[in-house]
Amino acid sequence: DAKTTQPNSMESNEEEPVHLPCNHSTISGTDYIHWYRQLPSQGPEYVIHGLTSNVNNRMASLAIAEDRKSSTLILHRATLRDAAVYYCILSWAGSYQLTFGKGTKLSVIP
Amino acid sequence: NAGVMQNPRHLVRRRGQEARLRCSPMKGHSHVYWYRQLPEEGLKFMVYLQKENIIDESGMPKERFSAEFPKEGPSILRIQQVVRGDSAAYFCASSPPMGTQNQPQHFGDGTRLSIL
Repeated sequence: DAKTTQPNSMESNEEEPVHLPCNHSTISGTDYIHWYRQLPSQGPEYVIHGLTSNVNNRMASLAIAEDRKSSTLILHRATLRDAAVYYCILSWAGSYQLTFGKGTKLSVIP
Repeated sequence: NAGVMQNPRHLVRRRGQEARLRCSPMKGHSHVYWYRQLPEEGLKFMVYLQKENIIDESGMPKERFSAEFPKEGPSILRIQQVVRGDSAAYFCASSPPMGTQNQPQHFGDGTRLSIL
């Protein structure tokens, strides 16, 4: 399975943008890039996913490098509710097993 | 609430007892997945079920663990003769059929199992 690498932790000030990086240098052409987050004492929550093009939804934006070897999850204005562990996961089309690593623990400072 | 419902939220069992964890998928979802999260670790895939069928149980321990998703009612993860090492958070997720679009999975808030 292709692996992802994320920083262990990041900090952001409230109401500022946050850029969460993910490296996936061994990604294959059919691997989708998924982001989930997990708030304390809750289950993972789907954030966004994409294949090649940048994606936007109401929660976040996903910027995918041209060579697809890295991607960045962008939270446009961090709130205290965004404090969570963020997981970057590769999953090929039609796959159903999500492989969660350690993720990035995001702290938001008021 | 139209989300994935898991119950109970917390379950305490003594060694040797049985644990039954329930999961009702989101409305319209016919695929259910179970994951286990040990303390300080990421979630690990256990089993994937469709109605009345186990599609992939490659992540499930061979002994004491079983799962079902009957035609009517919730999916059940059953752990027989529990041991201390079974203490973990068990999460259920659901999705519509995967197809080729790599559908996201929607998770419940988990059952936290503690073994005394």
